[in-house]
Formats: sequence, C-alpha cells, structure tokens
Amino acid sequence: AQKITQTQPGMFVQEKEAVTLDCTYDTSDQSYGLFWYKQPSSGEMIFLIYQGSYDEQNATEGRYSLNFQKARKSANLVISASQLGDSAMYFCAMREGLYNFNKFYFGSGTKLNVKP
Amino acid sequence: ETGVTQTPRHLVMGMTNKKSLKCEQHLGHNAMYWYKQSAKKPLELMFVYSLEERVENNSVPSRFSPECPNSSHLFLHLHTLQPEDSALYLCASSPKISSDPTYEQYFGPGTRLTVT
Repeated sequence: AQKITQTQPGMFVQEKEAVTLDCTYDTSDQSYGLFWYKQPSSGEMIFLIYQGSYDEQNATEGRYSLNFQKARKSANLVISASQLGDSAMYFCAMREGLYNFNKFYFGSGTKLNVKP
Repeated sequence: ETGVTQTPRHLVMGMTNKKSLKCEQHLGHNAMYWYKQSAKKPLELMFVYSLEERVENNSVPSRFSPECPNSSHLFLHLHTLQPEDSALYLCASSPKISSDPTYEQYFGPGTRLTVT
C-alpha cells in the first residue's frame, strides 16, 4: 500500500482565493511527522510546513496551514490568498518515528496553477 | 555559500560514459540522502548516509554508486546508465538520524540527468 496518497494530479485556483491540496497517509506508527514541500519549475524542493503526530493544534506558517485529521489520516495543505508565485508542484511527505526514521515517504504530487 | 548545493545542474551522458554528481551541504547536518525523481512518479529514495556510513540502500542498481567522504559531501558515481535513468536527482540533508520525526530535509536544486 502507498504510504502517501495525493489524489489531485492538478489543480487550478484563482489568484487571491484559498485552495486545499489533499493528502492521506498510511502508517501504524504512533510517532510520525508530516511535511509539505513546494517544488517550482526550477526543481528545488522547498519545505513549507510540518505537523507532528502528537501535535494537538493544526500547524500554520504564514499563508500555509495544515488541516490535520488524525482519525482520517489526512493532512491537507491549505493555501490562503493564492499568489501567482504559488504555481508549482506540491508534495506531501511523511517520516515515521522509531524504526524507519531514515525514510521520507513522498506522494506523487499535485500541480497547482494559480490563474490571474 | 549556504544550504545544499548540487553540481552539475544539468548533465547529458551516453550509456558508456562515467560521470559523478556532487552534493555539498553547509548546514552542519549529519545525514545526507539521494533521491531520484522521474516524471509522474513519487520521489524514490536511493541512499541514506548518516555520519558517512550508508544506512539505507533501496535496491538501487549497481550502476549507481554513492560515496560519502565526510558529512558535508555526497557523491553519486554513474556508469553504464540506461535511458530510463534519465531523471532529476535530488540531494538532501537533515540534522541527524534520530527517533525524533520532526526533522525536515533540506534539498538541493537537483541535477537534471539525460542519458542518451
């Protein structure tokens, strides 16, 4: 089974509107971390936001927030007030604690296009 | 220079060539990673090094040979590659291997490899 599933290969959003990028994960570990990365066309992966499995509050970083629903095993990224520079690939990732802490599992990504 | 750097940024090589990719991190991190990113596929973890010791090898073909001479440098030696090896190769580093899943990875800009 896939560890990280991103079901939206591509998304469009109007500039200044909010958009939600979906991510579900699969783990039996109690301790894990969830990450979102942005990859512009230039190729580098840019860390956006982190959510720990024991964090009770949803993580926020500026215009980025993570809608963490532990029982559903989902960690959706919400981008508020979209900007043209937000157009990029977005990857959800998970790092499991204890035994597999070497590995990051990445989803297949969502390509976000922000329209002017 | 700061962050994670990779050279070259672009590489075209024939199937009989031997080349090396270089990654350098200036963050004082102890763990370094090689990933392969092919079109429309999730990132594939290839190798993980912790304090110059290889701790992960994800069944990567022997035509890819990693080398980690110190905690700041990571190489990927390439020989007799196949056209299907054409991809973006990303290097990453993280503070240390530990059971704490909060550590994120910092990525380099990648090397775009084309095998002809």
